[in-house]
Amino acid sequence: GAGVSQSPRYKVAKRGQDVALRCDPISGHVSLFWYQQALGQGPEFLTYFQNEAQLDKSGLPSDRFFAERPEGSVSTLKIQRTQQEDSAVYLCASSHKGLAETQYFGPGTRLLVL
Amino acid sequence: SQKIEQNSEALNIQEGKTATLTCNYTNYSPAYLQWYRQDPGRGPVFLLLIRENEKEKRKERLKVTFDTTLKQSLFHITASQPADSATYLCAAGNFNKFYFGSGTKLNVKP
Repeated sequence: GAGVSQSPRYKVAKRGQDVALRCDPISGHVSLFWYQQALGQGPEFLTYFQNEAQLDKSGLPSDRFFAERPEGSVSTLKIQRTQQEDSAVYLCASSHKGLAETQYFGPGTRLLVL
Repeated sequence: SQKIEQNSEALNIQEGKTATLTCNYTNYSPAYLQWYRQDPGRGPVFLLLIRENEKEKRKERLKVTFDTTLKQSLFHITASQPADSATYLCAAGNFNKFYFGSGTKLNVKP
């Protein structure tokens, strides 16, 4: 069956550009998570949705980061006015219900801000 | 602040031996711990989950323990194989928060 997919897989942006990263979770999965992973580090939690409701956005680094999941399925992570420190891999994961369950990760989007 | 700590140094072992990876947590009381495997350029893949009321969980060659007194989880791979070489991530969570460690790289030499 289809897993979690993310697009684009790679994105190069000039500093100051806006970017949008897409995540298609496993069909029927209620929960969706976004993480940021710097080189050599573990994933850092950014935000969490249950259906279309954003239950936790405490991990978003600044107000330049915005995530949405308007119909409770596909999600988009938007970064406005990108800066070099935003360069990282952005991982999306989904789970059948909530946090205390297996999270299925996508391959990630590698963002490089020049 | 809460910390999930894993040994940042790579673990090098010989094929056939048991690999043991450590995860320690501080300033946090997780209800469960999860272990994931991550290969270069890929997202993490779930391996095992253990809850706070469980001391040990097994799955094939994998075993994980959860010691709430020591605030530690141990992850074991028995009869290790070169294909087990990867980075292993520990994650701790409760009903509303979830934190990953930075991972330990395992190298299994033939």
